[in-house]
Amino acid sequence: DGGITQSPKYLFRKEGQNVTLSCEQNLNHDAMYWYRQDPGQGLRLIYYSQIVNDFQKGDIAEGYSVSREKKESFPLTVTSAQKNPTAFYLCATSRGASRETQYFGPGTRLLVL
Amino acid sequence: GQQVMQIPQYQHVQEGEDFTTYCNSSTTLSNIQWYKQRPGGHPVFLIQLVKSGEVKKQKRLTFQFGEAKKNSSLHITATQTTDVGTYFCAGLTGGGADGLTFGKGTHLIIQP
Repeated sequence: DGGITQSPKYLFRKEGQNVTLSCEQNLNHDAMYWYRQDPGQGLRLIYYSQIVNDFQKGDIAEGYSVSREKKESFPLTVTSAQKNPTAFYLCATSRGASRETQYFGPGTRLLVL
Repeated sequence: GQQVMQIPQYQHVQEGEDFTTYCNSSTTLSNIQWYKQRPGGHPVFLIQLVKSGEVKKQKRLTFQFGEAKKNSSLHITATQTTDVGTYFCAGLTGGGADGLTFGKGTHLIIQP
């Protein structure tokens, strides 16, 4: 949605390299989330944050790391420990607790060379 | 952990036919949300259901939440080419501390 930006749109990673995906929002939402989507599959939660300087692991956190130093920003680092990183990564926000509507950014497609 | 199953995975229909996707949870849900993702796009929120037995309509789309709050359905009447995409349900358990649990989605393919 218009208030959530993700960059880059496409990202290429070499073997053994860490890469960071950006997610910025100007909706003043408290909660932010990272999901991974594989071709033809649903969304799997990687990490989420309900408040600045706090975040929790989702279902598939291994090989990923996040930070939440500012309310507006929730970057995701895909580390070399993630052995199968090729996927579509979606950032989402919600106004408060996760029971609220989630708004998704346009996504970043990560490809491993 | 909570699981949300969604069927069918793929549905081919002729334009003008009806379409239904079903969502079932292994646990009771506090609410269920539905999202649509167009090909190459990102999920967009459609609706949220909270009450047992709730039915909501958006033009040709009808959403239902089961009496036991463990299942839900989305029905589209007289499909149009603009309905093409993947429809996801996403359930939330009572605690609410975790994110939504998404179903794998139903891919709707419409043949003109």
